[in-house]
Amino acid sequence: TQLLEQSPQFLSIQEGENLTVYCNSSSVFSSLQWYRQEPGEGPVLLVTVVTGGEVKKLKRLTFQFGDARKDSSLHITAAQPGDTGLYLCAGKYNFNKFYFGSGTKLNVKP
Amino acid sequence: DAGVTQSPTHLIKTRGQHVTLRCSPISGHKSVSWYQQVLGQGPQFIFQYYEKEERGRGNFPDRFSARQFPNYSSELNVNALLLGDSALYLCASSLAVGREAFFGQGTRLTVV
Repeated sequence: TQLLEQSPQFLSIQEGENLTVYCNSSSVFSSLQWYRQEPGEGPVLLVTVVTGGEVKKLKRLTFQFGDARKDSSLHITAAQPGDTGLYLCAGKYNFNKFYFGSGTKLNVKP
Repeated sequence: DAGVTQSPTHLIKTRGQHVTLRCSPISGHKSVSWYQQVLGQGPQFIFQYYEKEERGRGNFPDRFSARQFPNYSSELNVNALLLGDSALYLCASSLAVGREAFFGQGTRLTVV
């Protein structure tokens, strides 16, 4: 069961373009994390958002947690080929369980 | 500092066999979680252990079991392997239950 739905599933863009990926749920999460995963590797934590409405920036990446803590977005400005990867959101649910979305596969072409 | 280490990195098994996967958490982390990631999907939660006790279990059959040792390392065991068990098995460690999780590079299991 996927508690978290991510969109789009696939995204292929040119270097320098901006993009936004979304993570949505009907459930409320106490926190939400974004990871990037490269082929054959484990996910690498990018950010954790905790408060409804919270915005966090990590260089060209901007993360937002929805006011109701049911959704989140990741915006990348001026994408670079090094941003290529699988972007996963994971919500903390019921205190000790993390549920992952199915991911957005991003390809940034030079 | 060493991150989360998993062994082996790759493994090929035959249907019906059993397999043991191993994980060493980041030093100081007391919680270990296991996830299964099938190609094209996000990781699915299997187990969480904290202080050698099971603290959470996902929707997996009883063929899947795990344990945590006094040094906080962990093993995931899968019996009677099925083709559908082929996946990347990820271990994540955290300071405690509910804290941020840091992943190892995974064990790629192929069942033939």
